[in-house]
Amino acid sequence: NAGVTQTPKFRVLKTGQSMTLLCAQDMNHEYMYWYRQDPGMGLRLIHYSVGEGTTAKGEVPDGYNVSRLKKQNFLLGLESAAPSQTSVYFCASSFNRDTQYFGPGTRLTVL
Amino acid sequence: KNEVEQSPQNLTAQEGEFITINCSYSVGISALHWLQQHPGGGIVSLFMLSSGKKKHGRLIATINIQEKHSSLHITASHPRDSAVYICAVRGGADGLTFGKGTHLIIQP
Repeated sequence: NAGVTQTPKFRVLKTGQSMTLLCAQDMNHEYMYWYRQDPGMGLRLIHYSVGEGTTAKGEVPDGYNVSRLKKQNFLLGLESAAPSQTSVYFCASSFNRDTQYFGPGTRLTVL
Repeated sequence: KNEVEQSPQNLTAQEGEFITINCSYSVGISALHWLQQHPGGGIVSLFMLSSGKKKHGRLIATINIQEKHSSLHITASHPRDSAVYICAVRGGADGLTFGKGTHLIIQP
């Protein structure tokens, strides 16, 4: 099993550009999460999903959209990137509300 | 919103020492997680606990629900234990609320 994978691993955007981060898991998990990690701050929840077709806002959802059309995939979109969205993005999944399995992260820089 | 505080923020110790990292939170929770983030950036879940104590190898995690406090202990520390250790709590259906992490360096 690959576990949780994230695509891409690195990306540089210009302000105003859009992009989609893909998270995929092969563990048949119901719950999936997107977090961002910034220097000097703990990881923060952006959006999450408790099952296929569902999404919900987390602590810092502004400027992001998500979709969970398939159970194994959770997409994070930036419609108009801003420098404040420069961060490392982690996806995670869990079977229920227990142990979360994290992807390797995506390092995004917005110029 | 739950506030999660970890101490110390940074810890340098010699190989073989007994290590303790503390975590306190402000609001009642359903579970507390300890995570490890290696220098390469990957995050691994170490423990999830809602009461009592858990042990895995040289790692021990304890939680006191009444005092809203948890500790992570490492016995016979080794340089490969060098990492950031993160405490996170779960309140309801949302994802986790994280502490800022403890940077641990074990010197040979």
